[in-house]
Amino acid sequence: AQTVTQSQPEMSVQEAETVTLSCTYDTSESDYYLFWYKQPPSRQMILVIRQEAYKQQNATENRFSVNFQKAAKSFSLKISDSQLGDAAMYFCAYKSGGGADGLTFGKGTHLIIQP
Amino acid sequence: DAMVIQNPRYQVTQFGKPVTLSCSQTLNHNVMYWYQQKSSQAPKLLFHYYDKDFNNEADTPDNFQSRRPNTSFCFLDIRSPGLGDAAMYLCATSRTGTGYTEAFFGQGTRLTVV
Repeated sequence: AQTVTQSQPEMSVQEAETVTLSCTYDTSESDYYLFWYKQPPSRQMILVIRQEAYKQQNATENRFSVNFQKAAKSFSLKISDSQLGDAAMYFCAYKSGGGADGLTFGKGTHLIIQP
Repeated sequence: DAMVIQNPRYQVTQFGKPVTLSCSQTLNHNVMYWYQQKSSQAPKLLFHYYDKDFNNEADTPDNFQSRRPNTSFCFLDIRSPGLGDAAMYLCATSRTGTGYTEAFFGQGTRLTVV
């Protein structure tokens, strides 16, 4: 079974600074996807960024980028120019292949943005 | 613009009284999922429907069942809710078959058992 580990229960960053959230995973599969989801308080979970395992290039979405280290099974999220609206729970998630399997989530990191 | 809609947002039920949570989607995705998220924990997959095919996670209690009468709707039935079933229940959808789209989530239903 796959596991996802987020070792930082909480992180704090000053507005406009950069923060990196860590995620490691364990799998024996070669075909998989990795995601970062954001869950603001009392609001729905939304996708921040996705990475296909077969792609060597790290995914980027505006201020959000990942450092995907496949051999090390590491998938960290970097948020540049942090904004107050970035405050939320961030979940790292794993999905097997392109089929209908669901997501395996890490325990989440609570990100606090200091004004 | 709402794409995955869960009703109600908040549900209070009595211990042992059957309750149904609903989810609808406007994305025409072929897969629908139900996750349980307890306070300060990661969401945990309960089951999913791939079209009409039901897939139950091995450790999902028998107390939980689901129905998907058509592509757009999916229901979560809890036959005899216990205090330990109090949680946020998240519905999600995705499309697979010709590539995979990421999962889209609803806002969740927070279930309280009294």
